[in-house]
Amino acid sequence: DTGVSQDPRHKITKRGQNVTFRCDPISEHNRLYWYRQTLGQGPEFLTYFQNEAQLEKSRLLSDRFSAERPKGSFSTLEIQRTEQGDSAMYLCASSLSPDRRETQYFGPGTRLTVL
Amino acid sequence: AQKVTQAQTEISVVEKEDVTLDCVYETRDTTYYLFWYKQPPSGELVFLIRRNSFDEQNEISGRYSWNFQKSTSSFNFTITASQVVDSAVYFCALSERETSGSRLTFGEGTQLTVNP
Repeated sequence: DTGVSQDPRHKITKRGQNVTFRCDPISEHNRLYWYRQTLGQGPEFLTYFQNEAQLEKSRLLSDRFSAERPKGSFSTLEIQRTEQGDSAMYLCASSLSPDRRETQYFGPGTRLTVL
Repeated sequence: AQKVTQAQTEISVVEKEDVTLDCVYETRDTTYYLFWYKQPPSGELVFLIRRNSFDEQNEISGRYSWNFQKSTSSFNFTITASQVVDSAVYFCALSERETSGSRLTFGEGTQLTVNP
């Protein structure tokens, strides 16, 4: 049973560039979540999908951020015109719903550094 | 609004000591779920436990135990006979099933250092 995978693991970019991250959930999981974690803080919710439908977006998700899950499997998170404040760890998680033991399992994260 | 507070920013113990990590939560929902995750230096969040609001029975798993008390809105985590490999950041998290889907609200984490 493979876990959640994320690619790339690290990304360094210059301010103003666009970046895209990919997340592959656990294969049978229908829910997929994106979180952002800055140094010394707990993860903060960004958005989640049930199958291909994006059901909730946080106010943290500005217009420069967009997420997709086109076929209900992998997801991409794109940040346009990156800013230094976007530097963080971007975490993806997946879960199976409805399930009485619904639990989110996390991937290793993508660490973004904006210079 | 939901909130999770982990008042202990850092804890340092010597190997074999017992240590308790505190977690206090706020929610208006009657149905909710509480979680503990471990984040070792590698960065990946590792799931440890999930409890629902209707089950206040304490749980023990090896050296780990959890004490859930609705009366004080607390969900504390105890490691017995700590080991160096327990060194990590530990996060408590809350999911309000009815009002906010399944999003997790995390505390700020407790950095646990176990010294040999």
